[in-house]
Order: sequence, then C-alpha cells, then structure tokens
Amino acid sequence: GAVVSQHPSRVICKSGTSVKIECRSLDFQATTMFWYRQFPKQSLMLMATSNEGSKATYEQGVEKDKFLINHASLTLSTLTVTSAHPEDSSFYICSATDQGRGYTFGSGTRLTVV
Amino acid sequence: DAKTTQPPSMDCAEGRAANLPCNHSTISGNEYVYWYRQIHSQGPQYIIHGLKNNETNEMASLIITEDRKSSTLILPHATLRDTAVYYCIVRVRSNDYKLSFGAGTTVTVRA
Repeated sequence: GAVVSQHPSRVICKSGTSVKIECRSLDFQATTMFWYRQFPKQSLMLMATSNEGSKATYEQGVEKDKFLINHASLTLSTLTVTSAHPEDSSFYICSATDQGRGYTFGSGTRLTVV
Repeated sequence: DAKTTQPPSMDCAEGRAANLPCNHSTISGNEYVYWYRQIHSQGPQYIIHGLKNNETNEMASLIITEDRKSSTLILPHATLRDTAVYYCIVRVRSNDYKLSFGAGTTVTVRA
C-alpha cells in the first residue's frame, strides 16, 4: 500500500528557532499534500493544502509566514515552523494524495518548543 | 461542505461486533464517505470509503443508507488493538481534495 514517511517523529527546539518537518511519499506521486495540527485531546485541524509546484493554500487563521510550506516535487513536502514559540508545540501530521485517489497519512511529528 | 455527526464515545466488548454510526444529512450526490481511525499519538489510518453502495474490506464493512444521510462502520470482531478514535469524513466537494476531520468517536474495546 501507499506509504508516507514523515520526519522527524519528535523534535524539541528552543523558542525563537525554526524547525523543518519533512513529508515524503515513498511509492506514489503525491500531487497534493496536506498539513494538519493536532492539540491534545482534539481532532486534526487542517492547516494548509499544497500542490506540487504551486504556492500552498492556507486555512483561515493559519499564518502563512509562520508556517512555510514547500512542495517542490511530487514526493516531498516540507513544513517549516519559523520563530517557534511554546504555543506552537503540537502534533503535526502530513497527508498525501494522488489526485484524490486515496489519502495516506504520515506518522506525525511531536514538536515541543521550550 | 457536508458535516458529520458522531457519538463522542462508545465501548464494546472484545470479540463482538462494533457498530459506529455517522450522520451526514447534508451530503451531496458525488461526495464520498471516508472512515479513518487514529490510535494514540499516531497518524490516521485508512479504514474504508464508499459512495452509495455498501463496502467491505479486510478491516471493516461500511453500510450507507439508501438516502445517503447516514452510514455505519462495522468492525466485525473487535480486538483490544481496535481501541482508537474513529473519524467519519465526507470529502469536501472541490478540486483541492481536502479531508476535514470532525471530533470523531472514541472507541474503547474492553476485554
């Protein structure tokens, strides 16, 4: 089956630094990738949608300058949390699809900003 | 966007069938119903999806009512490893293929 690899699985960073999270589709071409954020005991909240070679589309209330998304190839998307602060601590999850033919999720990244 | 309504939680006994309901009364004709589950601190796992016919795979069965306003996910023989949050999702009708998650149902399988 389709596999999405997300790295790192856990990261701790200092307040004010930037963190990059990678999401790779291993055995299919991901025309569209999604980034979600999940706080404890809450559901997944869609942050943004990215199509290969295009600028990401952000959901309302998500700061595009803070959460930089790059989808430069059909197998790789990255999310960079810039100038991270403790309130950015969360579980970040990516998902990938090939034109809506199935959706595969990464295993998530636990970000802790100290 | 069609919204879904699920019970917040349910318990079931190990070895018994678990029937998870979902209401999606505003679903449009070409919107699919997807089911995913999330085990603690992991990414969501695909279970099954359907449009209007009932579907079955190695994990579960999906029963969609004739009017498509509700569906039921059936786990035929629940195990302790099926304890998870189960999400019923109607795929947003657009060209951007978004999947938006609701609150889901926390299913606890008890021995």
